[in-house]
Amino acid sequence: EAQVTQNPRYLITVTGKKLTVTCSQNMNHEYMSWYRQDPGLGLRQIYYSMNVEVTDKGDVPEGYKVSRKEKRNFPLILESPSPNQTSLYFCATRIGGTWGETQYFGPGTRLLVL
Amino acid sequence: SQELEQSPQSLIVQEGKNLTINCTSSKTLYGLYWYKQKYGEGLIFLMMLQKGGEEKSHEKITAKLDEKKQQSSLHITASQPSHAGIYLCGADADNYGQNFVFGPGTRLSVLP
Repeated sequence: EAQVTQNPRYLITVTGKKLTVTCSQNMNHEYMSWYRQDPGLGLRQIYYSMNVEVTDKGDVPEGYKVSRKEKRNFPLILESPSPNQTSLYFCATRIGGTWGETQYFGPGTRLLVL
Repeated sequence: SQELEQSPQSLIVQEGKNLTINCTSSKTLYGLYWYKQKYGEGLIFLMMLQKGGEEKSHEKITAKLDEKKQQSSLHITASQPSHAGIYLCGADADNYGQNFVFGPGTRLSVLP
């Protein structure tokens, strides 16, 4: 079954404590992306990756890091989380980086930073 | 940068009624996608439109992209409680397919 998985699904942490949210896909897709969703602001792209070792900033990259060492994994790293990073995070994949290709989304990770 | 607007922001309809949600872009759309989201859950892909004037249907949901490729509409016929959720339009922000933007969403409630 084609899947995009995220872990953890729910996380409560404190300010400044480094955390990683993992994203994994089994569809051999080249393109992967991270979004955050906030009330009133909708979904905003954080980072995306066109392929292994190729990453680029989206609209709201501040405070986040990513890495793409393998095609199937695209972890999102918060080196020093702050309360304004409390949000619902989604990982997404698409076959390649060409427009017109459907994106498939993970189930989401709800993060609360105290 | 490209921005998407959706209207209405929220919608409450009686079961069985038809409804339309609109998505308007500030720039020409390269690819326009409709997703549905149950509150706090993942996004479910509904349809993708690419060509001006294109129309697609799936069950009771029809999506259209205007000829100028700057506006799309999602129409639900004979709504059911299962249609309730947040409807999001998304678009490729450029013709390279790298950046993606979403509209703010339309929250639909269907009263039985």
